[in-house]
Amino acid sequence: AQRVTQPEKLLSVFKGAPVELKCNYSYSGSPELFWYVQYSRQRLQLLLRHISRESIKGFTADLNKGETSFHLKKPFAQEEDSAMYYCALRGGGFKTIFGAGTRLFVKA
Amino acid sequence: GAVVSQHPSWVICKSGTSVKIECRSLDFQATTMFWYRQFPKQSLMLMATSNEGSKATYEQGVEKDKFLINHASLTLSTLTVTSAHPEDSSFYICSAISDRHSGNTIYFGEGSWLTVV
Repeated sequence: AQRVTQPEKLLSVFKGAPVELKCNYSYSGSPELFWYVQYSRQRLQLLLRHISRESIKGFTADLNKGETSFHLKKPFAQEEDSAMYYCALRGGGFKTIFGAGTRLFVKA
Repeated sequence: GAVVSQHPSWVICKSGTSVKIECRSLDFQATTMFWYRQFPKQSLMLMATSNEGSKATYEQGVEKDKFLINHASLTLSTLTVTSAHPEDSSFYICSAISDRHSGNTIYFGEGSWLTVV
């Protein structure tokens, strides 16, 4: 069965500190993994996807098939990074399921 | 990026009535749209996959007779909550796959708050 697990509901870090938002998944095939972000009072938007292997707003995420993980990382957190982050998995038919989300709070 | 618009942004209806939420892709055609439901402080739960010109595919546990989905055109999908009850109060979000963007990027609407009183 498809499943996305984000173990942390809330992550609070100081500005300039490294941040890692954890995501583990369960899927029998070869999934596509994504990170979506939702800033306050805004719609959900794509942050990055594993197949792009890109860095967006300083964030990176590497797919580790052995550990079935897709953790989101940023070396130096900024206050404007405060938002809700969702890890998502897309299997067949473009159907996307989401993890429970992690609220990142970056303190000044 | 592409734009997906939902209407209304919020709606209050009386228990027992039906309410329709529209999801439009404004600058692209979407053969497939998805409807999600989000309870406060919880994740998005996929309700159904809406396919243009055919019946929607519902996720397990979602009542198809209660949540009617119509995808009559390539730019419009509607979700009708029939005989609404207070427990149907939630945040409903649609998303659409853009055929104009590589990688079949999914874009989300701004969501619709439904309150049933």
